[in-house]
Amino acid sequence: DGGITQSPKYLFRKEGQNVTLSCEQNLNHDAMYWYRQDPGQGLRLIYYSQIVNDFQKGDIAEGYSVSREKKESFPLTVTSAQKNPTAFYLCASSIRPPADTQYFGPGTRLTVL
Amino acid sequence: AQSVSQHNHHVILSEAASLELGCNYSYGGTVNLFWYVQYPGQHLQLLLKYFSGDPLVKGIKGFEAEFIKSKFSFNLRKPSVQWSDTAEYFCAVNARVTGGGNKLTFGTGTQLKVEL
Repeated sequence: DGGITQSPKYLFRKEGQNVTLSCEQNLNHDAMYWYRQDPGQGLRLIYYSQIVNDFQKGDIAEGYSVSREKKESFPLTVTSAQKNPTAFYLCASSIRPPADTQYFGPGTRLTVL
Repeated sequence: AQSVSQHNHHVILSEAASLELGCNYSYGGTVNLFWYVQYPGQHLQLLLKYFSGDPLVKGIKGFEAEFIKSKFSFNLRKPSVQWSDTAEYFCAVNARVTGGGNKLTFGTGTQLKVEL
């Protein structure tokens, strides 16, 4: 069953702690993306990667970090520097870099207490 | 910077009513256009897309959208909505940005509620 998996579905962390969100795809897509979804604000791009070992900042990269060591995996770390980390995080992938259709995972809802 | 505007934030309709959700974008070059839908508790999925050709595109579940280049618009339509269409709808525009590469920009979304 091909697709994008994100884990966990719900995540709770204490303020000041770093947390890593997982994103895996078995679609053999080159490009992967992380978005943040907040009510009334749509989706905003955090980071994207067009190829393994390469990634670029999106519109709201501050307080986040990523890695792309494998084609299938694009984990996102929410650091303690992110001032308002509570949000719904969506991972997506596309066959080629951003001009192509993006397919989304089920998301991770992060709550920082 | 490119932007995408969805004028209706919340829409409430009765079953069988017709639907039109507005989407306008601010970019003068070549664009690829998308509508995504997020049903309650489900992940974001593609409803339809326009890359080129016939400006009237048909998607899943009876939805269609029309690209009007002169108006920078890509409105979503459905002749007769069903209760199961209750969801949040996002318009997105993919365009080339300064410095090279493309970027997908989303609108803020429209929450549609269909009442029985």
